[in-house]
Amino acid sequence: AQSVAQPEDQVNVAEGNPLTVKCTYSVSGNPYLFWYVQYPNRGLQFLLKYITGDNLVKGSYGFEAEFNKSQTSFHLKKPSALVSDSALYFCAVRDSGATNKLIFGTGTLLAVQP
Amino acid sequence: DAGVTQSPTHLIKTRGQQVTLRCSPKSGHDTVSWYQQALGQGPQFIFQYYEEEERQRGNFPDRFSGHQFPNYSSELNVNALLLGDSALYLCASSLGSLVSTDTQYFGPGTRLTVL
Repeated sequence: AQSVAQPEDQVNVAEGNPLTVKCTYSVSGNPYLFWYVQYPNRGLQFLLKYITGDNLVKGSYGFEAEFNKSQTSFHLKKPSALVSDSALYFCAVRDSGATNKLIFGTGTLLAVQP
Repeated sequence: DAGVTQSPTHLIKTRGQQVTLRCSPKSGHDTVSWYQQALGQGPQFIFQYYEEEERQRGNFPDRFSGHQFPNYSSELNVNALLLGDSALYLCASSLGSLVSTDTQYFGPGTRLTVL
């Protein structure tokens, strides 16, 4: 069965410093991986996805993610964090089967201190 | 370009009641998926509708049912509400013809509280 794991419940980083939010995956077949962000009392906003091709995927708001097949990881990164990046981040994988059903991780709360 | 919209924003019900949540997909999208997000957890897939039929269903009881209309909008119905049904219900839309790779775009959600 497809699954993703987000090993950190919370990540703290100072504004201006680089940030990394970790995600590892377990899939049968090719992995289709996604990152979403959720602000308080809001729905999910799409950040980026990896389907195939370059291992470094660039997304919205300056975020990028690095796909690493040997380590089965898909970590979210940003070179310089902003206070406004503080939110809940979810990694997701497309399930095997006929639809694009997503399986989500448990989420990582990113806190950026001024 | 309108994104995914959901109504109502908040809803309070009592145990045993029935509720209907509504979703309009992003312009140009024809597929609607519903997810339940309990407090402190990631979203869990309920089901997906395409061409007015349920295409896939997650591990949810029959109390959860849905419908898709010819204009691609969708409803989620929950009967015999339980306290454990309290959650944020998210609707997501995508293109059915690109089912394997297309991105799902989410609405703001409906917060359901069952007392």
